[in-house]
Amino acid sequence: GENVGLHLPTLSVQEGDNSIINCAYSNSASDYFIWYKQESGKGPQFIIDIRSNMDKRQGQRVTVLLNKTVKHLSLQIAATQPGDSAVYFCAEKGMGSSNTGKLIFGQGTTLQVKP
Amino acid sequence: KAGVTQTPRYLIKTRGQQVTLSCSPISGHRSVSWYQQTPGQGLQFLFEYFSETQRNKGNFPGRFSGRQFSNSRSEMNVSTLELGDSALYLCASSLGLKQGVETQYFGPGTRLLVL
Repeated sequence: GENVGLHLPTLSVQEGDNSIINCAYSNSASDYFIWYKQESGKGPQFIIDIRSNMDKRQGQRVTVLLNKTVKHLSLQIAATQPGDSAVYFCAEKGMGSSNTGKLIFGQGTTLQVKP
Repeated sequence: KAGVTQTPRYLIKTRGQQVTLSCSPISGHRSVSWYQQTPGQGLQFLFEYFSETQRNKGNFPGRFSGRQFSNSRSEMNVSTLELGDSALYLCASSLGLKQGVETQYFGPGTRLLVL
């Protein structure tokens, strides 16, 4: 089925280290990508997004990199904190009316932060 | 500004019954998208409503339906429940720019358990 794939199901990092979560997408026509964070018992929370005409975007402690050549997306979290522990999803949105309101999600990567 | 709200938060039903879930979008948002989240299939798009009309639909059987009211609130209905319908049902709202690149903001979800 449709899917944006994630390379690793679980990532364990030490508090204070930087985290990198990767995502491979399949649709080269997708023009918008979003990273979400989902904590237990909650809905996905927007972290950062990037359009296909960009290759890098920075937020507070987070950076998203987009490599359209190899259809790869990554989320970098600086100085990872225990509160960053959650499941992270990448999502893509394609162009055209058939993709209106529709995000395609990857399977998710669980980030575990060790104190 | 209040976020996306969903009611009820938890539901237990038996096979064959039907269920209605409700979603109130962020004020000013006119698009509501629904997703089903399961451990096996991840987050999958059900459908999107805009201006009281279904504008896009995912690959789910006709037992899954929805509607949207003039105040942009949306409901989804699942008839003849099956065990496999047990899932977290999430709604997300956005401005609704057709074919636009815009963020979807998620509610906390409704956890449905079918026995």
